[in-house]
Amino acid sequence: DIQMTQSPSSLSASVGDRVTITCRASQSISNHLNWYQQKPGKAPNLLIYAASSLQSGVPSRFSGSGSGTDFTLTISSLQPEDFATYYCQQSCCTPPTFGPGTKVDIK
Amino acid sequence: EVQLVESGGGLLQPGGSLRLSCSASGFTFSTSWMHWVRQAPGKGLVWVSRSNADGTTTHYADSVKGRFTISRDNAKNTVYLQMNSLRAEDTAVYYCAKSRVGYDFVGDYWGQGILVTVSS
Repeated sequence: DIQMTQSPSSLSASVGDRVTITCRASQSISNHLNWYQQKPGKAPNLLIYAASSLQSGVPSRFSGSGSGTDFTLTISSLQPEDFATYYCQQSCCTPPTFGPGTKVDIK
Repeated sequence: EVQLVESGGGLLQPGGSLRLSCSASGFTFSTSWMHWVRQAPGKGLVWVSRSNADGTTTHYADSVKGRFTISRDNAKNTVYLQMNSLRAEDTAVYYCAKSRVGYDFVGDYWGQGILVTVSS
């Protein structure tokens, strides 16, 4: 199975901050990388698919980049509703696997 | 509007069985791959299973292979997860999800989740 890692595991930030989360795959996955946001007690919400494509309805302050094994999710200006846990997930190979998550909370 | 609604969760003892249901609406269910993903309390997301559009092709995570069975009834727009020989480590919230690309899991719509607790 492809192992996904994320860093940091958690971070504290303020409204308006630029936030960057990184995700690394244990082998090349081309651009088959997706990002989700999950709030407590809720289902995950797809933000970015295919490494850099913005899912319909997702604010443009979210962006993704990368290919191969290294990927980045960037929130250009953190908003109050963005405090949540973020997961990366590879859709290259079976089984699909998720990173352990990055919790973003209020500084 | 796409909606996925899970049901059938609960508390049961190790070794027991349970069938989860996921009722779908708002998209063409009969042509869609469907997936199950689970999340143990306080833990991350783990993909469990998928079914192709007519239920003839299914895949499972190694951790549930031989114990769980995914199936579907396209006339009822419902996908099921039959869970047998349940273990404490199967305790989780179970989500059904639709993938925007079918076979490859890119979960664009998820149900609200249903809790399964396995405990003696």
